[in-house]
Amino acid sequence: SQTIHQWPATLVQPVGSPLSLECTVEGTSNPNLYWYRQAAGRGLQLLFYSVGIGQISSEVPQNLSASRPQDRQFILSSKKLLLSDSGFYLCAWSASWDRWEKLFFGSGTQLSVL
Amino acid sequence: KQEVTQIPAALSVPEGENLVLNCSFTDSAIYNLQWFRQDPGKGLTSLLLIQSSQREQTSGRLNASLDKSSGRSTLYIAASQPGDSATYLCAFSSGAGSYQLTFGKGTKLSVIP
Repeated sequence: SQTIHQWPATLVQPVGSPLSLECTVEGTSNPNLYWYRQAAGRGLQLLFYSVGIGQISSEVPQNLSASRPQDRQFILSSKKLLLSDSGFYLCAWSASWDRWEKLFFGSGTQLSVL
Repeated sequence: KQEVTQIPAALSVPEGENLVLNCSFTDSAIYNLQWFRQDPGKGLTSLLLIQSSQREQTSGRLNASLDKSSGRSTLYIAASQPGDSATYLCAFSSGAGSYQLTFGKGTKLSVIP
């Protein structure tokens, strides 16, 4: 069966520090991968998605970036965090062979920028 | 782009009651819709997915319906239990590809024992 791992679960970082969140999927090949952010009182916002290694699409301009160095690995990064980057970050995947692309989420990372 | 509205934002019901959660959308060009459950501080769990050609889907005590003409979807929960307490989110896609999903802000459900 397929599983998705996301870490860390909680992170407290000072403003201006770098960020690296990692997500890996097991049990499938060539998944579509996604990074979402969920801010308090707001809906889920798609940040990045990837349909293959090295292929990254950005939905929202910001100081965050994403990379996909391996088929089942998705990384969210920042060189310098802003206060506004605080939020709940969720990684997700869908099967590229699934026409209806049911979405499966990781357990999330609560990021607090102080 | 789709706008998705979920009303009410919060709902409290006694255990055993049947309940309906509502979701409305602005674009009738629906590819699919999905209902998710989110427990506090956790990721989302997929509950039901309705394809554009379908009217409803059922899983256990859950039934989701889709009415494209009125721009609405409902999630019906039968015989609610305290374990159903969570935030329920709906999401619509106007085309193929989950990157096109638009999420509502969710309805926070509390089932009181």
